[in-house]
Amino acid sequence: GQQVMQIPQYQHVQEGEDFTTYCNSSTTLSNIQWYKQRPGGHPVFLIQLVKSGEVKKQKRLTFQFGEAKKNSSLHITATQTTDVGTYFCAGREASGTYKYIFGTGTRLKVLA
Amino acid sequence: GAGVSQSPRYKVAKRGQDVALRCDPISGHVSLFWYQQALGQGPEFLTYFQNEAQLDKSGLPSDRFFAERPEGSVSTLKIQRTQQEDSAVYLCASSALVDTQYFGPGTRLTVL
Repeated sequence: GQQVMQIPQYQHVQEGEDFTTYCNSSTTLSNIQWYKQRPGGHPVFLIQLVKSGEVKKQKRLTFQFGEAKKNSSLHITATQTTDVGTYFCAGREASGTYKYIFGTGTRLKVLA
Repeated sequence: GAGVSQSPRYKVAKRGQDVALRCDPISGHVSLFWYQQALGQGPEFLTYFQNEAQLDKSGLPSDRFFAERPEGSVSTLKIQRTQQEDSAVYLCASSALVDTQYFGPGTRLTVL
């Protein structure tokens, strides 16, 4: 079945440093979503990417969808303590399924 | 309400008991998803409804799990004869179609 892996599993950065998490699917995706989950909280939608090679920016966050639509990345510039949490990608297969498969997540800690 | 609500927020059950978890989606949202999230893991898809139709139940781990959404709004996830491995946070998410998923706060189920 479809698998979605994320690396790294954990990342500790000093405040002000950049951070990147990578998401890789075993199958071609129709679209990919990114979520942030704070400790003790629930996933909160960040963005959706649909097109091959798509790049979207939200302030300090940059999201990319690979040309083959099998991988994606989230890059945060100049991290802040408010960026702490676990970042998940969630991909939907191109076969027309409604099911989203969540990645394993990257837990980010930002040291002040 | 403005967001997705779930009840109860916490549930402790003795092994073998039946439990029912409720999800109130955002009004007018066609799509409703149930996920199971174990500690330190990403949400795992359980089932998907489009209005009252359950279009995908491939993620339900066993026939002890049953979900319904009879009038296309409120949904209930029922777990019969609970086992310790059922302990997890159960998340509900709704969306207008199959795009941005708005998650509820979850129900933390502990089976003793």
